[in-house]
Amino acid sequence: NAGVTQTPKFQVLKTGQSMTLQCAQDMNHNSMYWYRQDPGMGLRLIYYSASEGTTDKGEVPNGYNVSRLNKREFSLRLESAAPSQTSVYFCASVRGNTDTQYFGPGTRLTVL
Amino acid sequence: RKEVEQDPGPFNVPEGATVAFNCTYSNSASQSFFWYRQDCRKEPKLLMSVYSSGNEDGRFTAQLNRASQYISLLIRDSKLSDSATYLCVVTLLNSGGYQKVTFGTGTKLQVIP
Repeated sequence: NAGVTQTPKFQVLKTGQSMTLQCAQDMNHNSMYWYRQDPGMGLRLIYYSASEGTTDKGEVPNGYNVSRLNKREFSLRLESAAPSQTSVYFCASVRGNTDTQYFGPGTRLTVL
Repeated sequence: RKEVEQDPGPFNVPEGATVAFNCTYSNSASQSFFWYRQDCRKEPKLLMSVYSSGNEDGRFTAQLNRASQYISLLIRDSKLSDSATYLCVVTLLNSGGYQKVTFGTGTKLQVIP
């Protein structure tokens, strides 16, 4: 039981490049989330998926798109990366919407 | 006013000391409260939930004061391994039926030998 996994762990992009961050969970959780964490800002919600087939915007969705491919996988795409998107990205899953959030190990992204 | 506010610290305490953190929240309709722990360059992990009646888990005690809209975390007999950032988390059911989860920016604890 791997829990929540994320790939890649580290990534450096040039401004304007695109990439997809992958997240998968093997706990049969319905809800999945993408956060970014910046110094002094705390964790901020980018997008979430309450269940397979649904996605909704969070607090800071601009510049991102998501896909809930199936119950296990929830990907985050940066179409045209900007330096302001330099951050640590965490994926999380939750069994019900009031239960514990289980986080992946994070992806450290630098946009030059 | 921020939805969830914490003193960023750092709190530097000697081993064996007792340390307490507070966290305030702005929305009185907030429903669930948690403390998460985050080690340097790692993901957050649940430390404990916070109930109105207060709850204890070993050296850790969490309390909720709804009237004053704050939660607290007390760590007794601090260990070196307690050094981490402690995140306050508050949830609120919004008008869309979604449980909005808000994280505080965290309080950094450094336990000194």
